[in-house]
Amino acid sequence: SQKIEQNSEALNIQEGKTATLTCNYTNYSPAYLQWYRQDPGRGPVFLLLIRENEKEKRKERLKVTFDTTLKQSLFHITASQPADSATYLCALDISFSSNTGKLIFGQGTTLQVKP
Amino acid sequence: GAGVSQSPRYKVAKRGQDVALRCDPISGHVSLFWYQQALGQGPEFLTYFQNEAQLDKSGLPSDRFFAERPEGSVSTLKIQRTQQEDSAVYLCASSPTNLFGNTIYFGEGSWLTVV
Repeated sequence: SQKIEQNSEALNIQEGKTATLTCNYTNYSPAYLQWYRQDPGRGPVFLLLIRENEKEKRKERLKVTFDTTLKQSLFHITASQPADSATYLCALDISFSSNTGKLIFGQGTTLQVKP
Repeated sequence: GAGVSQSPRYKVAKRGQDVALRCDPISGHVSLFWYQQALGQGPEFLTYFQNEAQLDKSGLPSDRFFAERPEGSVSTLKIQRTQQEDSAVYLCASSPTNLFGNTIYFGEGSWLTVV
């Protein structure tokens, strides 16, 4: 069956350290993978998109990798700050195979950065 | 406004009651999506519109769920004869084109509680 898995347990790290979140998937062939941030009571906010032919994408303190062989994406936040505390969602864009723009989301990983 | 607007933000419905949830996408956005998010889970796709055409309704959980976007802008998600398992956050999202790999902008959601 098709599955997307993110770290189910909350990730607690110290301010200034690098947070690494994992997204694994099976039985999908996504053309794109996206990462979103969601704060309590709010809608998801787009962070980064990476294409299947890209190995790595960076934006300020954020870095995403995408390994289509391992079927895994890693999301890194360097020099983490308490304001980075939120739930992070990975989403597979299977538009090419579904012919719609729908995203398949993981369950999210909650990150807590302690001062 | 500048973002995706949803109303009502909170709705308590008695079991068996019909509800209607409204979404105002970002002006000019071609694509519109509805997602359902249960507590502690990632959003799950319900349906997709390209302008006024509903191109994918594969995620609608039952025939009690109906969505429309008659003029290609505002959309309404209607749930008939609500049941307790319908309790969730209903997220609307829009994107500027129908091209794959687009950034998707989410609203803050409509929180539905069925009692």
